[in-house]
Amino acid sequence: KNEVEQSPQNLTAQEGEFITINCSYSVGISALHWLQQHPGGGIVSLFMLSSGKKKHGRLIATINIQEKHSSLHITASHPRDSAVYICAVRKLETGNQFYFGTGTSLTVIP
Amino acid sequence: NAGVTQTPKFRILKIGQSMTLQCTQDMNHNYMYWYRQDPGMGLKLIYYSVGAGITDKGEVPNGYNVSRSTTEDFPLRLELAAPSQTSVYFCASTTPGGYTFGSGTRLTVV
Repeated sequence: KNEVEQSPQNLTAQEGEFITINCSYSVGISALHWLQQHPGGGIVSLFMLSSGKKKHGRLIATINIQEKHSSLHITASHPRDSAVYICAVRKLETGNQFYFGTGTSLTVIP
Repeated sequence: NAGVTQTPKFRILKIGQSMTLQCTQDMNHNYMYWYRQDPGMGLKLIYYSVGAGITDKGEVPNGYNVSRSTTEDFPLRLELAAPSQTSVYFCASTTPGGYTFGSGTRLTVV
């Protein structure tokens, strides 16, 4: 079993819909990252969280440390949001190493 | 700033051949990482470095070697290529605020 689990694995949405992607982890962490990987393969860092909530444009990321859970929300989704979204955690006892979920593939249809 | 630069973007190797994947960053980041990404799997850490002269193994180091003679450069060496090393390789560097990834190297071993 992976230490980082994401759901759903695949998601198709209509343009304008509100989207939620979930990440659960089973270890103590010092930080959690949300990454975006576009079809061309490039990976971009969206958020780094250690507590609470962060917002950037139409993207919102939240984390609940007690429940070992994070969510990434996209408001007013757009076809350009189509990508794979990856959750990564930095484990407390291996401070320099990150562990990755397998990603959520999002397709937004016009 | 160029960020993290990886070369080459694509490479086909024959079994038993050797090659070096180059990674350079111009952000003066201490932490650098090499990951591989296999289809349907999360990113797996191969090696990482916390500064010039310091490297350490990640989850999947077998068949690879690294060096970190300068802050800027973190090359990954494959000595005897095997079909199991067919993958997409990403170099990354981090600050406390997040990741910066290179654009990836798609390697095929035949």
